[in-house]
Order: sequence, then C-alpha cells, then structure tokens
Amino acid sequence: EAAVTQSPRNKVTVTGGNVTLSCRQTNSHNYMYWYRQDTGHGLRLIHYSYGAGNLQIGDVPDGYKATRTTQEDFFLLLELASPSQTSLYFCASSDFNQDTQYFGPGTRLLVL
Amino acid sequence: GDSVTQTEGPVTLSEGTSLTVNCSYETKQYPTLFWYVQYPGEGPQLLFKVPKANEKGSNRGFEATYNKEATSFHLQKASVQESDSAVYYCALTQNSNNRIFFGDGTQLVVKP
Repeated sequence: EAAVTQSPRNKVTVTGGNVTLSCRQTNSHNYMYWYRQDTGHGLRLIHYSYGAGNLQIGDVPDGYKATRTTQEDFFLLLELASPSQTSLYFCASSDFNQDTQYFGPGTRLLVL
Repeated sequence: GDSVTQTEGPVTLSEGTSLTVNCSYETKQYPTLFWYVQYPGEGPQLLFKVPKANEKGSNRGFEATYNKEATSFHLQKASVQESDSAVYYCALTQNSNNRIFFGDGTQLVVKP
C-alpha cells in the first residue's frame, strides 16, 4: 500500500507568518496533490504536480505556492499566512493512469 | 465542468439499520467513479472504485452501482455498525488528467 507522510502534523502561526508544509511519498508515484479540508466544503484541490519541477494549479490556489523538488517530495508554501487559511491540509499521490489517490494523515494549521 | 453532488450530512442511524447515501455526477466524458471513506483523525482512503458503467463495486459490506443513464452512484449498506461512523466521499475522475473531483462528503454517525 502507498505510503504518504506529512510534516508537521500540527502548526500554529500568526497572521503574516511564513509556513511550509511537507509531503513525502515512497511509492514512486508520478502525481502528487495538495488539498484543504474545511467543514461544509469537503476536499478542495490547491495545487498538484505530475513530476519533479512540474506544478499545476488547482481550484483554490490563491495565497499558496507549491514546489515539487523530487519525485518523492512536494511542498506547500504559505508566504503571508492569513486566518482564512486555517484548515486541515492533506497531501495525496497517485500513479499515472492508476487514478486511485493515496492520502497522508493531514496537517492541521491554525493561523492566529 | 465535472461535479459531484451527494447527500448532505450528518446522517444519524442506529446500529443494524440500512444506509443509502445518494450521489449524482455531471461529466461530459466517461469517468471512473469512487467512494472514499475518512475515519476520524485519518486521511481519506479508497473504499472501492468502479471504472465501467452498469457495474457494481463493493467492500466491507458497502456497495454501489455505476448507473450511467441516471448518472448516479448511490452508496448502500444493509446493516451499519458503530465502526462505520465516518465521512463518505463520492468522487469521479477522468484518466486524461488524473484529477479527482470530490463531493462535499457525508458524515455518518451510527449509534449503538
């Protein structure tokens, strides 16, 4: 089974702060994704990537940057965090044409 | 565009009763349909998927039939258990872009 890990698991920052969320997958999947999960909105796609150096824009990208440094590692960057970005963030990965996504355990971010 | 609409939660049931979570979808192509489940404190995980119209998927006593004519994929279980308490997501994907479109999720609460 696919293994996706995220760090940190919990993070508190202040408005205007700089935050980096990390995701690593160890199953050689091509695709990686960042979602946010909020009550009443389900899972919303922020950014995704189909390989190192590639970035695709999702449905709610404003205020977020992302970078895929290797096949294994995908980072989500909040350079000027705002309270509206308080959320539960999930990373996921999938293989090309396999379509099933495997999710990490999530990072809970609180922006004060 | 592609979209998924499912039963609003929370749905509260007693153990041993039957469950139906409605899911309807819109897409111009031929999708693969999924049900994902998210237990408290965890990331979503695949419950099952059905790539072909008029076929049925099943796992852990849950089942759903891909109804192309009605564009529906309703989740059913004959007798729920307290351990089924979770959030259930209906989703679809088109292999052309490896994106998954999720519904807003339905929280199921099963009381003993």
